[in-house]
Formats: sequence, C-alpha cells, structure tokens
Amino acid sequence: AQKVTQAQTEISVVEKEDVTLDCVYETRDTTYYLFWYKQPPSGELVFLIRRNSFDEQNEISGRYSWNFQKSTSSFNFTITASQVVDSAVYFCALSETSSGTYKYIFGTGTRLKVLA
Amino acid sequence: EAQVTQNPRYLITVTGKKLTVTCSQNMNHEYMSWYRQDPGLGLRQIYYSMNVEVTDKGDVPEGYKVSRKEKRNFPLILESPSPNQTSLYFCASSRQLHYEQYFGPGTRLTVT
Repeated sequence: AQKVTQAQTEISVVEKEDVTLDCVYETRDTTYYLFWYKQPPSGELVFLIRRNSFDEQNEISGRYSWNFQKSTSSFNFTITASQVVDSAVYFCALSETSSGTYKYIFGTGTRLKVLA
Repeated sequence: EAQVTQNPRYLITVTGKKLTVTCSQNMNHEYMSWYRQDPGLGLRQIYYSMNVEVTDKGDVPEGYKVSRKEKRNFPLILESPSPNQTSLYFCASSRQLHYEQYFGPGTRLTVT
C-alpha cells in the first residue's frame, strides 16, 4: 500500500542552525512523484518542490535542498541556516496512479520551530 | 491573480443540516481535489476530479458528495453533517495529475 511517513512530529532549532526533515515513502509503482509543501502559521499550503521517480538528482534552491534516494525510499528536505520565517508545518506527499486509481497521499507533517 | 477560492472560510452548523462549501479556480486547471486536515493525520483526500463530469473517490469519501459541472468549480456537499466531519477543509487544483497543487485558503467547519 502507498504510504508517506514523516517520523519527526516536531523539531525545534535555534536560528542559523541547519535542519533536515525526513520523508520515507512506500509504493509499488515505478512511476511516481514526490512533493514538499509548507504550511506557515497563517494556514495556507504552499508548494515547494516536485520530483519524479526517474530523476534522482538532488536539488538546491537558495537555503533549501532536497535529497532523493530511491534505494532508501527517502526524499529528505534540508534547510540551511534556518530563519524564524521557516517556522511552519512541512508536508511530504506522494502522487501515483496505481491500478487505474489516482492517489495523492500526504504525510502527517513535521512542525518546525525556529527560535530566535 | 491566479488563485483558488473557497467559501465560506468558517462555518458552524448542527448535525444533519445540509451544507455546501464552494471552490473555484481561475487557472483553467484540469484537476481539482478536496482534502480534510485533522491534527496528527495530515491531509487526506476526500474526492478528486480529473475533468468536467469526471469525479472519483479519495481515501475518505464517506459522508461527502462532489460535482464538477464546470471546469472552474468543484463544490463539496455534506448532505447530513455529523460531528466527526468537524475539520479543516482544503480545495486544490493543478494543471494535470501528478503536478503541484494550488490550495485554497481553507474552510474551518464545526459540526455540533
């Protein structure tokens, strides 16, 4: 069965520390897509990144970087030099079409608190 | 401005009183979806639609209905709400399946 696990419920760091948010997924499909979304305290959901299963290249966008490893079924997210504005709940998600049924599955989220 | 809108943003109702939460997008997206967010459970997909008149169940469809008569609108209907449907609801759209989703601002529903 498809599943996304974010084992870290809550993480607290001090500003300027680096922090990694873990995401482990389960799927039987060879074609699938992985996403990260951010939900700041204001409540909206903001898209951060999309990756397909055939592209294992890591990506960097400013202070954000993502490490996709098919061998361990992980898609981890690192924030370098964290800032207070990074405080939010972060969701990892998996999208696939299995047996003709479309699935978009979110993890339970990791709450990141960045302390000044 | 490209956006997904939902109305109402907040709703308190009583058990059994039918309600509709509207969702509209102005990006000409093919795909739309409804989710509910509950503490400790993340977001769970209720229903989705791949195009006009094409809808399908997500993981938690019980107690909900949807329709997609126009491309831009995807209302969520609770025919007989119950307290276990108290939740934060999000509508989302994307240009195609497997693409990033754009979310509405959310509707906080309380059923007493």
